[in-house]
Amino acid sequence: GNSVTQMEGPVTLSEEAFLTINCTYTATGYPSLFWYVQYPGEGLQLLLKATKADDKGSNKGFEATYRKETTSFHLEKGSVQVSDSAVYFCALSDRVGGSYIPTFGRGTSLIVHP
Amino acid sequence: NAGVTQTPKFQVLKTGQSMTLQCAQDMNHNSMYWYRQDPGMGLRLIYYSASEGTTDKGEVPNGYNVSRLNKREFSLRLESAAPSQTSVYFCASSESMTGSSYNSPLHFGNGTRLTVT
Repeated sequence: GNSVTQMEGPVTLSEEAFLTINCTYTATGYPSLFWYVQYPGEGLQLLLKATKADDKGSNKGFEATYRKETTSFHLEKGSVQVSDSAVYFCALSDRVGGSYIPTFGRGTSLIVHP
Repeated sequence: NAGVTQTPKFQVLKTGQSMTLQCAQDMNHNSMYWYRQDPGMGLRLIYYSASEGTTDKGEVPNGYNVSRLNKREFSLRLESAAPSQTSVYFCASSESMTGSSYNSPLHFGNGTRLTVT
């Protein structure tokens, strides 16, 4: 079956540090890949996505590149801010039967200190 | 822009009680989902509805039932609540799980925090 594996958190950084959150996936087909962010007390919201190999998704300074050869979709940001503190989820959407079922990783908590 | 609206926000039940979690979306989306979020487990899919009139089991359907009332509304029912169902429940919707919109992202509500004692 399909699965998403993320690095365990929490990831603790100082403001302006470089961020990487690793994500690898297993899929039977050719999935679309997503990163979602969850702020405290809220639901998840889409951060970025990529739909084919070598695509780079980007938003709010965050980037991730769809690497089919390594089945990875690592999230990066050059300089984090305190406001980036949240839980980040990697996800894929792949065909299961007649529908594309979303599958989520377990989430990685990011804490940014001033 | 309401997006996905879930009610209630919080609920406390005693073991054996029943309740229905309500979800409505105003984006004219075809597909809707129910997830539960538990510490260290991420999001697990309970049920989904690919389109109005259809529902299917996800990864953890036991103890739950769903109703796709119309295109906008998708409810989750706990017939006899158990402490293992203590969790945060999220409803989500997307343009479609099929056809050319298969890679459309999910839009989430703000969750229902349920405690079963």
